[in-house]
Amino acid sequence: IAGITQAPTSQILAAGRRMTLRCTQDMRHNAMYWYRQDLGLGLRLIHYSNTAGTTGKGEVPDGYSVSRANTDDFPLTLASAVPSQTSVYFCASSDQGDTGELFFGEGSRLTVL
Amino acid sequence: GESVGLHLPTLSVQEGDNSIINCAYSNSASDYFIWYKQESGKGPQFIIDIRSNMDKRQGQRVTVLLNKTVKHLSLQIAATQPGDSAVYFCAENRASGTYKYIFGTGTRLKVLA
Repeated sequence: IAGITQAPTSQILAAGRRMTLRCTQDMRHNAMYWYRQDLGLGLRLIHYSNTAGTTGKGEVPDGYSVSRANTDDFPLTLASAVPSQTSVYFCASSDQGDTGELFFGEGSRLTVL
Repeated sequence: GESVGLHLPTLSVQEGDNSIINCAYSNSASDYFIWYKQESGKGPQFIIDIRSNMDKRQGQRVTVLLNKTVKHLSLQIAATQPGDSAVYFCAENRASGTYKYIFGTGTRLKVLA
């Protein structure tokens, strides 16, 4: 089934450790996004990529980095995890940029202790 | 409705009745809006979208209304079913070309049997 695949589904991580959340889409969408979802705060954009080779910062980029080496993959890295990064992370993609449907993955639940 | 603090506003509706979920957006420059449905433990799913040059758009059992004067968006669900129980988010795109959707905090819809 075409769509977005995220891994891992869930992870418990010690503070200070490095972690990469993986995201792969098979829809050949140009734009990809990473959001974090926290209760009461909704979905907040961390980083985005308009097309392969380019990335941009969202609302809450600090402590996170991304890369977009190709169209399909958009990994999110936490260089040194902190407890405030405990959240559910969603990857999304779209093929129409700013006026198109966002397709979301099923999420990665990250707990930083 | 909009969330305050850590608790999502909840709308309880009897099965078969119509539901109306509201969302206020903040930027009069926003020109594209989407409603998403998120079931427990899953990623958000697209329901319906509307552009700022429209006041109303209908889908299957759903209608979105846009009032630009008061910056208000609503989602109407006809003949609400148990499967409609979920959290509903509105999203706006605040500036054309930036790929930066902004999400509301969500409303939980509970369908009573």
